[in-house]
Amino acid sequence: GENVEQHPSTLSVQEGDSAVIKCTYSDSASNYFPWYKQELGKGPQLIIDIRSNVGEKKDQRIAVTLNKTAKHFSLHITETQPEDSAVYFCAASKGYNTDKLIFGTGTRLQVFP
Amino acid sequence: AAGVIQSPRHLIKEKRETATLKCYPIPRHDTVYWYQQGPGQDPQFLISFYEKMQSDKGSIPDRFSAQQFSDYHSELNMSSLELGDSALYFCASSALALNTGELFFGEGSRLTVL
Repeated sequence: GENVEQHPSTLSVQEGDSAVIKCTYSDSASNYFPWYKQELGKGPQLIIDIRSNVGEKKDQRIAVTLNKTAKHFSLHITETQPEDSAVYFCAASKGYNTDKLIFGTGTRLQVFP
Repeated sequence: AAGVIQSPRHLIKEKRETATLKCYPIPRHDTVYWYQQGPGQDPQFLISFYEKMQSDKGSIPDRFSAQQFSDYHSELNMSSLELGDSALYFCASSALALNTGELFFGEGSRLTVL
């Protein structure tokens, strides 16, 4: 089955700096790669996703890149703000609608003012 | 917009008791997923249902069972509770018609087993 690895496990940055979180996956059949943000005591919230037919996607300060050959994808947050502090999870699935998501182990991001 | 509704939000049980968690998916979503998240852990897939039939099964203990009803809501039944069952339980839903693979998560039910 699919296995998703994520690093770093913790990341501390100064407000305004960039943050990068990286994930690798094992199943070459995976083609949907979402990123979720989870705040304390809340459910995961989708912040951006990418499919295997696209190499990069951007939404304001957030971007995701995908290297399908190397089986890795990354989340980039620019101009970080204190409210970006949360746990971020990458995930992978085969992309059809009944397929489950397999999550990475999470990255706790702290943005210091 | 309507979101995934989970109840109860918090539940405290003793060892060996039973617990039932409920999930109400987003209207017109036909697929429900259950995940378990231990402290400091990533969400682990338990089980999913599509159109009231089990569609996939993950690391769900035999003590747990689940079903999806005709109105698409789902219930996770947990028996002979153990201390290690203490966790956040998330339900997520999706719609086949959207064909996006995107899962929408509820706010979770926190189960504490004493």
